[in-house]
Amino acid sequence: AQSVTQPDIHITVSEGASLELRCNYSYGATPYLFWYVQSPGQGLQLLLKYFSGDTLVQGIKGFEAEFKRSQSSFNLRKPSVHWSDAAEYFCAVVPYSGTYKYIFGTGTRLKVLA
Amino acid sequence: DSGVTQTPKHLITATGQRVTLRCSPRSGDLSVYWYQQSLDQGLQFLIQYYNGEERAKGNILERFSAQQFPDLHSELNLSSLELGDSALYFCASSFQQGSGTDTQYFGPGTRLTVL
Repeated sequence: AQSVTQPDIHITVSEGASLELRCNYSYGATPYLFWYVQSPGQGLQLLLKYFSGDTLVQGIKGFEAEFKRSQSSFNLRKPSVHWSDAAEYFCAVVPYSGTYKYIFGTGTRLKVLA
Repeated sequence: DSGVTQTPKHLITATGQRVTLRCSPRSGDLSVYWYQQSLDQGLQFLIQYYNGEERAKGNILERFSAQQFPDLHSELNLSSLELGDSALYFCASSFQQGSGTDTQYFGPGTRLTVL
């Protein structure tokens, strides 16, 4: 079945440490890929997106993500985490064909230790 | 601020009741999407409208309906409410009718509590 998997429900890192949030998808073709962040009590904000081309994508707030076709992954990274990055992060996929609705992963909640 | 507005911010009601959630898309956007976020189901796509017409349907219950008006704002109607309908309901908008490259911008959500 088509799905988006974020294997880590919770992640805790220290401020200043590096971060990697995992996202795997299972679709026949390369879908369109997105990362969103949801701060407490807020809506979802787009961090970055991948459609085609360069597999390393730069986003806002110092985030980047790398698309790896061979691993069906689109992991989100940040070299140095700030306390304000504490939030929930969602990977989303739009299947290449179909109704173009977003399929969201279950989210990863990031906690940042001072 | 995404430019998408949703009202009300919070809604508390009783089982069996009916409520209406409202969404105003970003200026110029023609598509509106509705999502439900609950603890057990996560973020689920409900329905999409493009320029007044239903474009795509997801996991939307028959008790729920939506429409998009000529001024492009949208309303999500939830009826015969059950406890399990308690959730955060998001509206998103995009310029196009939902091509894969069409980024969706999300509103702040309406938190519905059914008692």
